[in-house]
Amino acid sequence: DTAVSQTPKYLVTQMGNDKSIKCEQNLGHDTMYWYKQDSKKFLKIMFSYNNKELIINETVPNRFSPKSPDKAHLNLHINSLELGDSAVYFCASSQDSAGYEQFFGPGTRLTVL
Amino acid sequence: RKEVEQDPGPFNVPEGATVAFNCTYSNSASQSFFWYRQDCRKEPKLLMSVYSSGNEDGRFTAQLNRASQYISLLIRDSKLSDSATYLCVVKSAGNNRKLIWGLGTSLAVNP
Repeated sequence: DTAVSQTPKYLVTQMGNDKSIKCEQNLGHDTMYWYKQDSKKFLKIMFSYNNKELIINETVPNRFSPKSPDKAHLNLHINSLELGDSAVYFCASSQDSAGYEQFFGPGTRLTVL
Repeated sequence: RKEVEQDPGPFNVPEGATVAFNCTYSNSASQSFFWYRQDCRKEPKLLMSVYSSGNEDGRFTAQLNRASQYISLLIRDSKLSDSATYLCVVKSAGNNRKLIWGLGTSLAVNP
């Protein structure tokens, strides 16, 4: 029944490692997003895909690479993790790219040691 | 100046109180406005959209003032369950279709 799901929920890893976070939505939405919420609680868009096409690509280090195999899935791969990458990463979806309501996954809490 | 600014609070109010939050935005061409709610260690969820004429949903009233570039959220008869962070969200103008998020205003309703 979960609308937007993410795995893993918690991720603790060492600096320099490579990790991936997966997201899936079963709402039939066309558009998916990755957000980063840092310790100051600031929620910032990183990427957005509409029907597997990248439509928003904010100023994010190229160590972060999103991938959308189909419109129901949006994964985030992070290379060479740094301490500053520690944050909560939220996946979200909306009906389309003009969609006003975004539905969020539960978040992945990433801690880089 | 930040694109969307909110007083972070915290606002501590007793149950039954009326509380209001404001949020200012810098881009006069912004198109759409929303209030989201985020509980501690949870994901944000849409509380309500903000329409030009103002709108009400139960105990919650949202207003938009385009001339002064702010939106407001009024909560009447506060409940303990209203304790959360309230995020002001503005849809940017232009084709990039982004939502710009405020830092949020923290509300604690006390018994």
